[in-house]
Amino acid sequence: DIQMTQSPSSLSASVGDKVTITCRASQGISNFLAWYQQRPGKVPNLLIHGASTLQSGVPSRFSGSGSGTDFTLTISSLQPEDVATYYCQEYDRAPLNFGPGTRVDLK
Amino acid sequence: EVQLLESGGDLVQPGGSLRLSCAASGFILYNSAMNWVRQAPGKGLEWVSAIGGFNDNTWYADSVKGRFTISRDNSKNTLFLHMNSLRVEDTAIYYCAKALGSSPRTASHSWGQGTLVTVSS
Repeated sequence: DIQMTQSPSSLSASVGDKVTITCRASQGISNFLAWYQQRPGKVPNLLIHGASTLQSGVPSRFSGSGSGTDFTLTISSLQPEDVATYYCQEYDRAPLNFGPGTRVDLK
Repeated sequence: EVQLLESGGDLVQPGGSLRLSCAASGFILYNSAMNWVRQAPGKGLEWVSAIGGFNDNTWYADSVKGRFTISRDNSKNTLFLHMNSLRVEDTAIYYCAKALGSSPRTASHSWGQGTLVTVSS
């Protein structure tokens, strides 16, 4: 099985700050990596797929990069509505594991 | 517009069984890979199972293999998760999610609102 790790587990940032979250796969997964946002009490929402492809309707302040084992989600200018937990997920091979999540709060 | 509506969640005793349903609209279920993902109270997302589009290939998490079965009724455009030998640790909100393509090797772009399964004596 491919294990997914994320860092940090949580962070606090101010409105307008640049935020970076990293995700690491225990084996190479090419670019079979997605990022999801889950606001408190809400359903997960797909942000990025293919490691760097922005899903339709997602604000351009979100971006993804990486390939192989190391990936990054960047929020270029944090907004209040970005308060959420962010999960990466590999979909290269079953089980399609999620990372443990990164909680983003406002400072 | 893609819509997914889960149902069937309930309170069940350990060792019991339950069948979850996910009624799909706005697309042809058979053509798309579908996933079940769960989230225990206050915890992260856990992928449970997937079924491929255009075929009956299925995948399962180790934690549910041999106990859960994913299936679909193409005539009703409905996805199912049959759950047997339920354990306390299966307690969670269960989401069905539609993949971007016909292969499970694609991200999930549409999610239902979820249905709560509680396993307790």
